[in-house]
Amino acid sequence: DAGVIQSPRHEVTEMGQEVTLRCKPISGHNSLFWYRQTMMRGLELLIYFNNNVPIDDSGMPEDRFSAKMPNASFSTLKIQPSEPRDSAVYFCASSLVGRAGELFFGEGSRLTVL
Amino acid sequence: TQLLEQSPQFLSIQEGENLTVYCNSSSVFSSLQWYRQEPGEGPVLLVTVVTGGEVKKLKRLTFQFGDARKDSSLHITAAQPGDTGLYLCAGEQTSGSRLTFGEGTQLTVNP
Repeated sequence: DAGVIQSPRHEVTEMGQEVTLRCKPISGHNSLFWYRQTMMRGLELLIYFNNNVPIDDSGMPEDRFSAKMPNASFSTLKIQPSEPRDSAVYFCASSLVGRAGELFFGEGSRLTVL
Repeated sequence: TQLLEQSPQFLSIQEGENLTVYCNSSSVFSSLQWYRQEPGEGPVLLVTVVTGGEVKKLKRLTFQFGDARKDSSLHITAAQPGDTGLYLCAGEQTSGSRLTFGEGTQLTVNP
């Protein structure tokens, strides 16, 4: 069975450019989470959706970040404009609603903003 | 302030040794999870504990949830190089709520 699929795996961009990260959750999972991982701050929850509806976006750093989930099989995380401090590994994870502790993570998207 | 404190942050041991990693908090959790993450990959769930005092075993790994559901430990017996990785504890304060991760323990097992 396919796991959570993220793209791109690596992205290098220049400050000010728009970045779009993509995620396909596991089929049948109805909760989707976006996390950011850095050495300094560890794993931070940015936003999560239940049944395609954003539930908690309090972790989104600022207005430059936005996330959408237009259907049950696709989500995007967009950063516009990007800044060097956004450099991190961004993970998407999915689970069943009510089973937020049992997350299945993708392999991550490593973003470097120069 | 980190909700979940893990210790130690780094641990380097020789193959065959035993080790314990701790996850502590002042908050009560409805459930607590342990994940392992290898370089270039996402975290992978190892275990979930939900009952105070619960002990779960996964081959050479033993997980314990504190009686008050505020802390947990992971004990590895006879560590092997394949155990090398970042071990993360995570907790739900109420069932179905957002998961909070600790900062992790980076374990290196040398052959």
